[in-house]
Amino acid sequence: AQRVTQPEKLLSVFKGAPVELKCNYSYSGSPELFWYVQYSRQRLQLLLRHISRESIKGFTADLNKGETSFHLKKPFAQEEDSAMYYCALTAAGNKLTFGGGTRVLVKP
Amino acid sequence: DAGVTQSPTHLIKTRGQQVTLRCSPKSGHDTVSWYQQALGQGPQFIFQYYEEEERQRGNFPDRFSGHQFPNYSSELNVNALLLGDSALYLCASSLDSYNEQFFGPGTRLTVL
Repeated sequence: AQRVTQPEKLLSVFKGAPVELKCNYSYSGSPELFWYVQYSRQRLQLLLRHISRESIKGFTADLNKGETSFHLKKPFAQEEDSAMYYCALTAAGNKLTFGGGTRVLVKP
Repeated sequence: DAGVTQSPTHLIKTRGQQVTLRCSPKSGHDTVSWYQQALGQGPQFIFQYYEEEERQRGNFPDRFSGHQFPNYSSELNVNALLLGDSALYLCASSLDSYNEQFFGPGTRLTVL
């Protein structure tokens, strides 16, 4: 069975501070991992996916197969990063399995 | 392109009633997936439609059914509504199975 765990419900950081959102997954095969973001009053949208190995809006995420983790990091948080973040995986077709989400609040 | 659209925006029903939610995919997309998002939780996969057939299904009872039309739009039907069906229902579209899913704004269903 596929499972995604985001242990933190809320992360509060000051502007300019680093932020790291934790994501752990369980799946016996080789899943594809994603981070989705939902800004206030906007729809859910893809932030980044591990196969693209891109940095989007200053965020990066590294897939660690040994620790089954896909943590999201940004060295200097901005106020516009305040949002709800969801880690997700897909393995069979593109059915997405989401974690419970982490709310990030960046304080000025 | 307006992207993925869903209707209605909000809906209030009573227990035991039936509801139909609608989704129009992003232009050029042929695959539609439905998700249920309860308050404070992440979205949960309900099912996926491709070429007018249900291709994958999550752990939801048969009260949840769907349909995809030749123009790729889709409907989600829920029968015999329960209080626990109150949630935000999200539709996502993609170009076949292995491309990025684009989400709609959702339909907020409240069951009283």
